[in-house]
Amino acid sequence: AQTVTQSQPEMSVQEAETVTLSCTYDTSENNYYLFWYKQPPSRQMILVIRQEAYKQQNATENRFSVNFQKAAKSFSLKISDSQLGDTAMYFCAFMNSGANSKLTFGKGITLSVRP
Amino acid sequence: EAGVTQSPTHLIKTRGQQATLRCSPISGHTSVYWYQQALGLGLQFLLWYDEGEERNRGNFPPRFSGRQFPNYSSELNVNALELEDSALYLCASSLGYATQYFGPGTRLTVL
Repeated sequence: AQTVTQSQPEMSVQEAETVTLSCTYDTSENNYYLFWYKQPPSRQMILVIRQEAYKQQNATENRFSVNFQKAAKSFSLKISDSQLGDTAMYFCAFMNSGANSKLTFGKGITLSVRP
Repeated sequence: EAGVTQSPTHLIKTRGQQATLRCSPISGHTSVYWYQQALGLGLQFLLWYDEGEERNRGNFPPRFSGRQFPNYSSELNVNALELEDSALYLCASSLGYATQYFGPGTRLTVL
């Protein structure tokens, strides 16, 4: 079974600065997907970024980028130029490619952006 | 393009009653997933429907059930409600084995 670990329960960052959220996972699969989702106080789960395991290049979406280390089973999210609207809970999630496509989530990290 | 929609937003029931939650996927998506987000338990996978069939089920008792309709919308039914069923229930949709997009959730409170 896959597991996803987010060991930091909460972090705080000053507006306009950069912050990195950590995530590790465990799997015996070779093909899979990794995601970061954001859940603001409204509770709507929003996709931040996605990484395919077969791709060596790290995914980037505007101010959000990942550091994917497949051998180390590490998948961290870097948020640059933090904005107040980035305040939310962030979940790291794993999904097998193929028929068992459920998401396995970490416990999440609460990120607060200070003005 | 409309996102995933869920109804109702809030639902209050008493122990032993039944609850029905509804989800409409993004147009063109054929898969619907249900997740439970309970305090202290994190996000847990409940059910996956694709093309009208149940494809996978999480570690939940049989009183959690559902179905997917020909238009790909889905219903989650929870029978014999217990206090610990109080949670946010999130629905997600995808096209095939791909990225899942979430709805706003239904907050179920069991008194």
